[in-house]
Amino acid sequence: AQTVTQSQPEMSVQEAETVTLSCTYDTSESNYYLFWYKQPPSRQMILVIRQEAYKQQNATENRFSVNFQKAAKSFSLKISDSQLGDTAMYFCAFMNHGQGAQKLVFGQGTRLTINP
Amino acid sequence: DAGITQSPRHKVTETGTPVTLRCHQTENHRYMYWYRQDPGHGLRLIHYSYGVKDTDKGEVSDGYSVSRSKTEDFLLTLESATSSQTSVYFCAIGGVGQPQHFGDGTRLSIL
Repeated sequence: AQTVTQSQPEMSVQEAETVTLSCTYDTSESNYYLFWYKQPPSRQMILVIRQEAYKQQNATENRFSVNFQKAAKSFSLKISDSQLGDTAMYFCAFMNHGQGAQKLVFGQGTRLTINP
Repeated sequence: DAGITQSPRHKVTETGTPVTLRCHQTENHRYMYWYRQDPGHGLRLIHYSYGVKDTDKGEVSDGYSVSRSKTEDFLLTLESATSSQTSVYFCAIGGVGQPQHFGDGTRLSIL
């Protein structure tokens, strides 16, 4: 079974700084998807970024980018020029590639606080 | 936003009572999922559905049952609620190879 580990329960940075959230995972599959979800205090689960394992290029979405190291099974999220609205829980998630229902396996989450 | 509605948003009930949570989608997705969120655990899959009347167990299915009589509705039932089932419950929908989109969650408290 796949597992996802986020080793940083909490992080705190000043506004405009860059912050990196860590995620490692364990799988024997060669093709899969990785995601970062953001959960602000409103409780919504918001997709931040997606990475397909067969693509070597790291995904980027505006101020959010990932460092995907397939051999090391590492998938970190970098937030540049952090903003107060980035304050949230961040979850790393793994999904197998293939047909049929595709279940997400989540990490424990990292609570990120952006200070003014 | 993906068309997913969960009801109720909040519920407080007593141990031993039955509880049903509803997930309604307007996206016509084949796959629907129920997760629970607890501190220190992230989200964990309870049950999922891959079509009308087709469901299967997830990681933490004990004490829960589901039903899907229509494409748009996926019900999660706690036959006899226990305090350990106090949690936030999320419904999600998604296609093959696509990220899942989540409802706004139901906060369930069992006293």
